[in-house]
Amino acid sequence: ELKVEQNPLFLSMQEGKNYTIYCNYSTTSDRLYWYRQDPGKSLESLFVLLSNGAVKQEGRLMASLDTKARLSTLHITAAVHDLSATYFCAVDRGGNQFYFGTGTSLTVIP
Amino acid sequence: NAGVTQTPKFRVLKTGQSMTLLCAQDMNHEYMYWYRQDPGMGLRLIHYSVGEGTTAKGEVPDGYNVSRLKKQNFLLGLESAAPSQTSVYFCASSYMDKLYGYTFGSGTRLTVV
Repeated sequence: ELKVEQNPLFLSMQEGKNYTIYCNYSTTSDRLYWYRQDPGKSLESLFVLLSNGAVKQEGRLMASLDTKARLSTLHITAAVHDLSATYFCAVDRGGNQFYFGTGTSLTVIP
Repeated sequence: NAGVTQTPKFRVLKTGQSMTLLCAQDMNHEYMYWYRQDPGMGLRLIHYSVGEGTTAKGEVPDGYNVSRLKKQNFLLGLESAAPSQTSVYFCASSYMDKLYGYTFGSGTRLTVV
């Protein structure tokens, strides 16, 4: 069974600072997805990473994928309060389902 | 452009009662899924479907049944609700190649007392 681990689980950071969320997974996979969830809301797609070395950027968020290390990172640059949410990574190993990490709850403090 | 629509959004059941959650998508997606989300446990797959008339078990299928009689609809049933089924349920759908990932519904918050 594929295991997906995110760290940290909880992150409190000041506005303007940079930080990285890590997503490690246990078996070979070439595809990884990042989602954002606001409290009480659904999951919104952020990034789709489909190959080794893929890098995607949107605003203050940048995601990358290293399939050889089985690692994806979500980097936050100059955090703002609006980025406060829970972030999930999900791995597709080619079967019929995604495997989700437990999520990283991010709080950006003014 | 509705995407994925779930009904109801909230429900309180008594132990032993039954209910059906409805998921409808208008994106012509082949695959549909039901997940449950519990604190500290991420999302766990209950059942999924790869096409009309087909269903399969996921990670936590016990106590649930599903049906996909039409491509756009995926129903999740609880025959005899238990407190352990208190959770937030999300429906999702995707194309077969999953190149765009999942599209999620807004969720159903279910409490079993």
